[in-house]
Amino acid sequence: GAVVSQHPSWVICKSGTSVKIECRSLDFQATTMFWYRQFPKQSLMLMATSNEGSKATYEQGVEKDKFLINHASLTLSTLTVTSAHPEDSSFYICSARDDKTNSPLHFGNGTRLTVT
Amino acid sequence: KQEVTQIPAALSVPEGENLVLNCSFTDSAIYNLQWFRQDPGKGLTSLLLIQSSQREQTSGRLNASLDKSSGRSTLYIAASQPGDSATYLCAVKGGNDMRFGAGTRLTVKP
Repeated sequence: GAVVSQHPSWVICKSGTSVKIECRSLDFQATTMFWYRQFPKQSLMLMATSNEGSKATYEQGVEKDKFLINHASLTLSTLTVTSAHPEDSSFYICSARDDKTNSPLHFGNGTRLTVT
Repeated sequence: KQEVTQIPAALSVPEGENLVLNCSFTDSAIYNLQWFRQDPGKGLTSLLLIQSSQREQTSGRLNASLDKSSGRSTLYIAASQPGDSATYLCAVKGGNDMRFGAGTRLTVKP
């Protein structure tokens, strides 16, 4: 079945550094990928919609300059948390939509980011 | 490895009916379970979040229950409406990952 690989599964970084999270569709092409985050004890929330070859669409309240999204190919989207702060510590997960079937979404297993 | 199963894969009901969607998981060591809805081509919309210590959550016409010991959750939708037509996903949160079911595609006919 369709697989989405998300890397790394967890990362610890120091405040002020940047962290890149990768989301790859392994056996299908995905023009559209989605990035979500979940703070402890809260629901998973959509951050942005990533579109190959164009700018990402960010949800209200998500800083585009802080969360840089690059969707340079049909199988890879990256989320870079720039100048990370402890309040960015969260669980980040991506999903990808198969261009052939257009549905359903396939999910990565997530990345736990801890900023110290 | 956690496995999440949703039954049925698809469901079609007439408007006004009450319905139940099922989600089962193999590892009861979970932090929480969430129900989402997905409209065609869109991202997820969070519906209900149940922490591992809770038994149920309610929001409007939606009620979700959680039985950790048996590895089951149900999403109850009361008085269904055509606007409820979507794919419903459950997701189980473990220590460092989140596992999703394949979803139930719901169609509510006017």
